[in-house]
Amino acid sequence: SQQGEEDPQALSIQEGENATMNCSYKTSINNLQWYRQNSGRGLVHLILIRSNEREKHSGRLRVTLDTSKKSSSLLITASRAADTASYFCATDAVAGNKLVFGAGTILRVKS
Amino acid sequence: EAQVTQNPRYLITVTGKKLTVTCSQNMNHEYMSWYRQDPGLGLRQIYYSMNVEVTDKGDVPEGYKVSRKEKRNFPLILESPSPNQTSLYFCASSTSGWYTMNTEAFFGQGTRLTVV
Repeated sequence: SQQGEEDPQALSIQEGENATMNCSYKTSINNLQWYRQNSGRGLVHLILIRSNEREKHSGRLRVTLDTSKKSSSLLITASRAADTASYFCATDAVAGNKLVFGAGTILRVKS
Repeated sequence: EAQVTQNPRYLITVTGKKLTVTCSQNMNHEYMSWYRQDPGLGLRQIYYSMNVEVTDKGDVPEGYKVSRKEKRNFPLILESPSPNQTSLYFCASSTSGWYTMNTEAFFGQGTRLTVV
């Protein structure tokens, strides 16, 4: 079964608004990563947060991690039409040699 | 430019006709992996390789083979494709070490395979 589950499955907002996506996972992790995928294209890495970190920022992106709740959130501030994409969280389980992806959140930013 | 290159980008084939999807990276990464992406299921790992001549099964390896004879290349082989292997395939590479994926993965642009 999948390690990560994103919520919501789809999100539609107006340009300039903030977008928040959530990810829950099942087992202990070393790291959690967020990726973006434009329609039908390859995934692009956004940010990595380690299990001993609680919050991380990169430009308009803010990621939080709560290991006690096994959850993470990705906040995109002041969204733009170009942010329209699918967003995936990926976790690496302790003692695992792989990233496990959730089903993703489809974000649509309307201009 | 750092990149992962997959070929072909699109492929339509018939059931049972052997095919190979190539993957090459120019970043000297040890770790390479293949995923398939299906609607509602996210990305699922097919096979991965920790280094040359070191490969192992992922979550959905049935019907696939891989080889890692050179560090830069990691081809995916479908010996006898079936319609349930119709999917979008991605190759990825990273510098991650053993037992932890602690660096970003670089993905190819994908190969859309249709098996009729």
